[in-house]
Amino acid sequence: GAVVSQHPSWVICKSGTSVKIECRSLDFQATTMFWYRQFPKQSLMLMATSNEGSKATYEQGVEKDKFLINHASLTLSTLTVTSAHPEDSSFYICSARGTSGTWRFGPGTRLTVL
Amino acid sequence: GQQVMQIPQYQHVQEGEDFTTYCNSSTTLSNIQWYKQRPGGHPVFLIQLVKSGEVKKQKRLTFQFGEAKKNSSLHITATQTTDVGTYFCAVQNSGGSNYKLTFGKGTLLTVNP
Repeated sequence: GAVVSQHPSWVICKSGTSVKIECRSLDFQATTMFWYRQFPKQSLMLMATSNEGSKATYEQGVEKDKFLINHASLTLSTLTVTSAHPEDSSFYICSARGTSGTWRFGPGTRLTVL
Repeated sequence: GQQVMQIPQYQHVQEGEDFTTYCNSSTTLSNIQWYKQRPGGHPVFLIQLVKSGEVKKQKRLTFQFGEAKKNSSLHITATQTTDVGTYFCAVQNSGGSNYKLTFGKGTLLTVNP
């Protein structure tokens, strides 16, 4: 149980376009979801905390106007990378905290901006 | 938020050798989690330690939480090629209601068959 899915698993886009990534908790309700970014050979860096029905809380240094987060329901959060540039190329991973207190991570979305 | 130092950054072993990665914090932790990330994959939850001095085992993996709850270790006995990956510790910031999870830098384990 406690499965988190992400879509798409990978995406290649042109510089200047926007990309939307979906994160779904498949068999549990997640009032809070988290978005991480991981560059090659580095650790996961928390970008923002997404709360259902309210505005996301962004970590210091993360541009909220560039990384739009929407948490419209207890099972879905979306991250939109607006006007993507090559430096935004990264592995984006969402996670959800279940009621049992454990975290489940999505499989990640690999974004490549040309 | 919580900060945690993880060492070593890399570890290469021969198959059958043991492996240990360590995480240290300057502050007392409420709990600590361990994750494994295979190359190209996503982090997979291994275990959560909560109690002072706690020791938990999962087959060849032994997890320890220090008495002062400021350090933790993951030890793998007789490594196998399937153990290859990056092992992360993660600590929880329970300030407010968001329970943010902060990751250590990870230890990349490679195993020579």
